[in-house]
Amino acid sequence: GAVVSQHPSRVICKSGTSVKIECRSLDFQATTMFWYRQFPKKSLMLMATSNEGSKATYEQGVEKDKFLINHASLTLSTLTVTSAHPEDSSFYICSARVRELTDTQYFGPGTRLTVL
Amino acid sequence: QKEVEQDPGPLSVPEGAIVSLNCTYSNSAFQYFMWYRQYSRKGPELLMYTYSSGNKEDGRFTAQVDKSSKYISLFIRDSQPSDSATYLCAMSGGGGTSYGKLTFGQGTILTVHP
Repeated sequence: GAVVSQHPSRVICKSGTSVKIECRSLDFQATTMFWYRQFPKKSLMLMATSNEGSKATYEQGVEKDKFLINHASLTLSTLTVTSAHPEDSSFYICSARVRELTDTQYFGPGTRLTVL
Repeated sequence: QKEVEQDPGPLSVPEGAIVSLNCTYSNSAFQYFMWYRQYSRKGPELLMYTYSSGNKEDGRFTAQVDKSSKYISLFIRDSQPSDSATYLCAMSGGGGTSYGKLTFGQGTILTVHP
């Protein structure tokens, strides 16, 4: 149980375009999902906390107008990188919090974004 | 000082060795402690979670938490080449605006060679 999927797994886009990444909890309902960014050989950096039915909470230094988060249902959260630039190229990972299992988070497989 | 400190390694051991990974932390409010394994270009995979102090064993893996020393460990027995990955410690339970968030260590890169 506790499987989280992400789509797409890899995306290459041109500078200035927008990219949407989906995060789904497959076998459980997740009232809270998290979005992380990870640079090569670095740990995960939390970008925002996504709560179903309400606005996301962004970490300091993360532009909310650039990284749009929507958590429309208990099994789906989306991250849209708007007007992407090469510096947005990174590995984006979502996770879902499973409250019933003592605050643990289960992670998706990640999405590698390359902006040309 | 970072809230969670973890030696990034890299750590290289022969197959069959016992591996010891550890993290120290400064926030005494942490109550939940987790270890994740991350293979290259993949999302982290939950290995172990522990609430408060104590030991927990699952197959070849043993997690220990010593809240009095603010120190957690993960032991891997009979290590295998397939254990080669980055191991991340994570903690939560800080309360307040940190509710539900995980604080990660930097990750330790482990290589188990045949």
